[in-house]
Amino acid sequence: EGQLVESGGGLVQPGGSLRLSCIASGLSFSSYWMTWVRQVPGRGLEWVANIKQDGSEKHYVDSVKGRFTISRDNAKNSLFLQMDSLRVEDTAVYYCAGGAFNMWGQGTMVTVSS
Amino acid sequence: DIQLTQSPSFLSASVGDRVTITCRASQGISTYLVWFQQNPGKAPKLLIYAASTLQSGVPSRFSGNGSGTDFTLTISSLQPEDFATYYCHQVDSYPLTFGGGTKVEIK
Repeated sequence: EGQLVESGGGLVQPGGSLRLSCIASGLSFSSYWMTWVRQVPGRGLEWVANIKQDGSEKHYVDSVKGRFTISRDNAKNSLFLQMDSLRVEDTAVYYCAGGAFNMWGQGTMVTVSS
Repeated sequence: DIQLTQSPSFLSASVGDRVTITCRASQGISTYLVWFQQNPGKAPKLLIYAASTLQSGVPSRFSGNGSGTDFTLTISSLQPEDFATYYCHQVDSYPLTFGGGTKVEIK
């Protein structure tokens, strides 16, 4: 069965940058759209971005457009989220998901605070 | 943007109860709706896709219905492991959006 493992979260000051990674194993990574979803602890889910199988199509929620960049490396079964100009309101657990949402990682916490 | 309104946001029920959660979209989304279950500190789990198709391995007591703007998730006989938060999610048009969630707690 497929597995997704996120990494790269941590504490960063407002205006700073982080790069999240999601490594896939046991699935045909290059066959799936991949997605980032975030969740403020104790709150609901928010779709952040997704990327087509070959990387040719990307979509973002308005609040991160121009600041976040989703990318993938199919040769390395990897998904990335480059997060720049981070804001306090970006603080959340970030999940990667794929395979039509039947596979999720465990989440990585991003805290933006001075 | 398409808004998804879930109701109720909280419900208290007993083991064995039949429970129905509603998700209303601000505009028609055909059957491009997904339902998730989430337990505290865990990632969401896919229950139903295309509004009514049960994901493999999900118990048959879960069912989904609806199209257009009105959707339901029904649990026919609530089990202890079903006490969790449930989210609907539209995959019809960007930006993709989630409902606000329904927390199901033990009465």
